[in-house]
Amino acid sequence: AQSVTQPDIHITVSEGASLELRCNYSYGATPYLFWYVQSPGQGLQLLLKYFSGDTLVQGIKGFEAEFKRSQSSFNLRKPSVHWSDAAEYFCAVGANSARQLTFGSGTQLTVLP
Amino acid sequence: GAGVSQSPRYKVAKRGQDVALRCDPISGHVSLFWYQQALGQGPEFLTYFQNEAQLDKSGLPSDRFFAERPEGSVSTLKIQRTQQEDSAVYLCASSLGQGHEKLFFGSGTQLSVL
Repeated sequence: AQSVTQPDIHITVSEGASLELRCNYSYGATPYLFWYVQSPGQGLQLLLKYFSGDTLVQGIKGFEAEFKRSQSSFNLRKPSVHWSDAAEYFCAVGANSARQLTFGSGTQLTVLP
Repeated sequence: GAGVSQSPRYKVAKRGQDVALRCDPISGHVSLFWYQQALGQGPEFLTYFQNEAQLDKSGLPSDRFFAERPEGSVSTLKIQRTQQEDSAVYLCASSLGQGHEKLFFGSGTQLSVL
């Protein structure tokens, strides 16, 4: 069975600082990997996804993530955080043959002025 | 509409009542998913439709949960004889193709069972 671990429940960074959110997954084959963001009262929005190819993927809002097979990780990064990035971030894994995604428990990001 | 619409936004039910939650996906989207999100947790898969066919219902927690999409568009998630443990946000998502390449989520229905 596939699983996702987001080790950090809550992260606080200052505006303008760099950000890295951790995600580790467990899956037997090459996974489909996703990062979603959820703002209060809003639906989840896809930031980026990895299916194959280049292991460094670019997403919306200046985010990027790197797939590292050897570490079973797919960490999300942003070089300079904006106050509007405060939200909850979810990493998810999916399989090619299945239609369901398995989400991590999320990381809440607070941005200090 | 422009996005996935869910109604009601909030639902309070007494234990034992039946509830029905509605999802209007983006027009033309083939795939529709239901997820359950408990407080402080990530979404958990409930069920998946491709057009009107329910291809995966492995995530439905009990036979009290039932979902349908009779015309391949609007979907309804029904919970019979609600229990307190059913309290959660129920999320609907749709995608253009047959998979989960890019899901568009609604804002959810927050269900509170008293």
